[in-house]
Amino acid sequence: DTEVTQTPKHLVMGMTNKKSLKCEQHMGHRAMYWYKQKAKKPPELMFVYSYEKLSINESVPSRFSPECPNSSLLNLHLHALQPEDSALYLCASSLAQTGSSYEQYFGPGTRLTVT
Amino acid sequence: DAKTTQPPSMDCAEGRAANLPCNHSTISGNEYVYWYRQIHSQGPQYIIHGLKNNETNEMASLIITEDRKSSTLILPHATLRDTAVYYCIAESGYSTLTFGKGTMLLVSP
Repeated sequence: DTEVTQTPKHLVMGMTNKKSLKCEQHMGHRAMYWYKQKAKKPPELMFVYSYEKLSINESVPSRFSPECPNSSLLNLHLHALQPEDSALYLCASSLAQTGSSYEQYFGPGTRLTVT
Repeated sequence: DAKTTQPPSMDCAEGRAANLPCNHSTISGNEYVYWYRQIHSQGPQYIIHGLKNNETNEMASLIITEDRKSSTLILPHATLRDTAVYYCIAESGYSTLTFGKGTMLLVSP
C-alpha cells in the first residue's frame, strides 16, 4: 500500500468557521508533511512532523494548527482563515525525515475555499 | 538547498523520448537530485532521484553530468498521460523539498 489519503477532497468554509483536514498513511512512514499550493504555483512546505513531533514550521500563521495523533495520522486544524488561504492543501509522507534520501509520497490534496 | 533552473515548457510527440533538462550549478556534494511530476489537480508524484550515478527505474532515467551541475530526466516513450509539470529539486537529505516553477511538458498525439 503506497497510498496517502486525504479527507475531505473539497472544503468550503467561512472565515469564522473551525474545520480540520485529515491525512492518513499506512506505509510505516515516520515523517509527514503539509504543503500549500496556490493556483498555478508550486507547492510550498508548511509543516514537517518526524516521529510524531513537530520538526519544522515554516513560519505558518497560527490560524493553521497541525497535529500528529499517531504515526499514521496527520491533521491540520483551521480557524479564522482568510480568503487568501484558499488553496490546495497537500499531505505527504516519507520513511524518515533525515539521514538519507527518502522520496515523499503525496496525497491527492484537499481543495479549500474560504468565503 | 541548491537552486535549480528548468525551461518553463516543452513539447513532445507521443511515443518519442522526452528529455527534460535541469541546471543545478550550485549543488553541493551531499545534495541529491530529485524529480517529481504533478498532473493537473493531483498531488505530486515521485519519479526518480540520484546523487552521482545515472539511475533508471520503471518510469524514467536520470542522467547526471560528471560535475553534477546539470541533469536530464528521460521518459523513453512519452504518452499523453505524461503531460504534467515536472519539478527538478536539489535536496540535502533533510527532506524539505523546495519546489521551483518546473517544466510544463505537453505530450501531443
